[in-house]
Amino acid sequence: AQTVTQSQPEMSVQEAETVTLSCTYDTSESDYYLFWYKQPPSRQMILVIRQEAYKQQNATENRFSVNFQKAAKSFSLKISDSQLGDAAMYFCAYRSDYGQNFVFGPGTRLSVLP
Amino acid sequence: DSGVTQTPKHLITATGQRVTLRCSPRSGDLSVYWYQQSLDQGLQFLIQYYNGEERAKGNILERFSAQQFPDLHSELNLSSLELGDSALYFCASSVEGQARSYNEQFFGPGTRLTVL
Repeated sequence: AQTVTQSQPEMSVQEAETVTLSCTYDTSESDYYLFWYKQPPSRQMILVIRQEAYKQQNATENRFSVNFQKAAKSFSLKISDSQLGDAAMYFCAYRSDYGQNFVFGPGTRLSVLP
Repeated sequence: DSGVTQTPKHLITATGQRVTLRCSPRSGDLSVYWYQQSLDQGLQFLIQYYNGEERAKGNILERFSAQQFPDLHSELNLSSLELGDSALYFCASSVEGQARSYNEQFFGPGTRLTVL
């Protein structure tokens, strides 16, 4: 079974600075998808960014980018120019190729300091 | 707004009771997933339905059951409730999985269940 690990329960960053959240996963599959979800205090799950394992190029969405290292099974999220609205729980998630359920990590709580 | 609706938003009940949580997927999505999020924890997959049929099961207790109806809405039934069942229950929907496809899951706002 796949597992997802987020080794940083809490992180903080100064407004306008850059922060990197770590995620590692374990799988024997070669094709899969990785996601970062944001959960603000409202508890809504919001997709931040996604990455296909068969693509070598790292995904980018505005201020959010990932560092995907397939051999190392690592999938970190970099948030640039952090904003107060980025404060939330961030979950890393894994999904197999054929539309199966997500496996979520335990989450990292990010605080943004003014 | 993800397009996935869940009712009710909040539910308070007593131990031993039974409740039903309802989910309406996005228009066109055939798959519905149920997740449980206990306090300050990640989401645990419970069960998936595709077009009315159970497709995958996760860590779902025997006291819990679900179904998906012909109009594709889904219900999660929780019975003989215990204090530990207090959690946020999310429903998500997606189109059916195909190889080399994102099949992004869209999450509803969740139902917060409190068992007293």
